[in-house]
This record gives sequence, C-alpha cells and structure tokens, in this order.
Amino acid sequence: DTAVSQTPKYLVTQMGNDKSIKCEQNLGHDTMYWYKQDSKKFLKIMFSYNNKELIINETVPNRFSPKSPDKAHLNLHINSLELGDSAVYFCASTGRGATNEKLFFGSGTQLSVL
Amino acid sequence: GDSVTQMEGPVTLSEEAFLTINCTYTATGYPSLFWYVQYPGEGLQLLLKATKADDKGSNKGFEATYRKETTSFHLEKGSVQVSDSAVYFCALKGGSEKLVFGKGMKLTVNP
Repeated sequence: DTAVSQTPKYLVTQMGNDKSIKCEQNLGHDTMYWYKQDSKKFLKIMFSYNNKELIINETVPNRFSPKSPDKAHLNLHINSLELGDSAVYFCASTGRGATNEKLFFGSGTQLSVL
Repeated sequence: GDSVTQMEGPVTLSEEAFLTINCTYTATGYPSLFWYVQYPGEGLQLLLKATKADDKGSNKGFEATYRKETTSFHLEKGSVQVSDSAVYFCALKGGSEKLVFGKGMKLTVNP
C-alpha cells in the first residue's frame, strides 16, 4: 500500500551507461515530479508532469528525459551517465485543490556513477 | 524569483534542548509556507504548513508562524528527542505552482 514507490532503491553504474528509474503513485494524483538531492542535501526540482503533460522543465541536461505513460507513472531515463549525476533522485506527487500543496515523496533512488 | 533561505547546519543538540531553525523567504504575492522533514534513508514528508499571514502550523511538538512583516517561518520545538534527528527543509509555494525548497538543515539529537 505504498503511496509513491520508485525503483530501484540503489543504482550503481559506470560512466557512459544509460539507466532508468521508475516511479508509480497509487494516490490518484494528477501531478508528479522528479527532484535531485545532492551530497549536501540540497533538493532541486528537475521536472513536473500534470496528467502526462510536461509543465515544469528546469535547466537539466538533455541526457535526462522524463516519460509519463499515464498519470500514475513518471519514469526518468538518463543517457550517457556522468560522475556528476551521482545523487539521490526523488519522485513525488500531489493532488488537486487544497491537497495540491502537500507533496508525497518516494523513498529515493541513490544513483552512484563510477 | 521565489526563494527560501534557511540555516544550513549541521546542528547537534542534546535531548530536551530547545530548537530553532530559521527560515526566511522571498516571494511575490502570498505564498504558502511549509516545513518538510527527511528521516534517514527516507523521502521527505510534510511536517507542517501555513497558508496565510499569522497562521501557525504545528505537528509533533513543532511549531512555525507565518510572519509576513519579517518574511519568516522559523521552526521551533521546546524539547527535542533523539527521534527528531533528521534533515529539515523550509519551502514555499507561490504563484508558479512550483514548490521551492531551502537547502535543508541536518539536525542530530544526542541522548
């Protein structure tokens, strides 16, 4: 009965590889996000989708491509991984109206690029 | 654009000590303000929020008051516990529909 689930929890890979992180929410929310948290715990928004449409796209390298097959899923694909991509990536979702101010976060995917 | 500035820490306290984490913001209009907490190995979760001036958010013994005159939303707890060890994030949501986070502050509470 996990609200926002993302997989994998840990991802260790070599530079230059392509990898994907999956996210699913069972809360019936319309809006989903990807955040990147660096080693200093600084949290930065990357993308946001509302009903499968991209609404926020921060300054993120083109190597990062989000994909939303339906409003319950928002996957993150990363091409040509670089050392600087090492971080914890969090998926989050939010609903409509008064509830849309509260974000529900997944437990994070720790990506280590070697 | 909208921004949040908060104490960065890390901060270490003894159990039952008083906690204040300062947070100030810059935003146009009337943003909603939040404190999120991230326990070790977990995602962030909402701790408390306030949506208009002079509102006080409270939860788990934590409090924060929306002060428009000083553009602040400081988090306080009178007596911290070891279980409060976590990273605390101040955040705001303004007209852009984007939740903007501060840099987070790591708190460690020792027994």
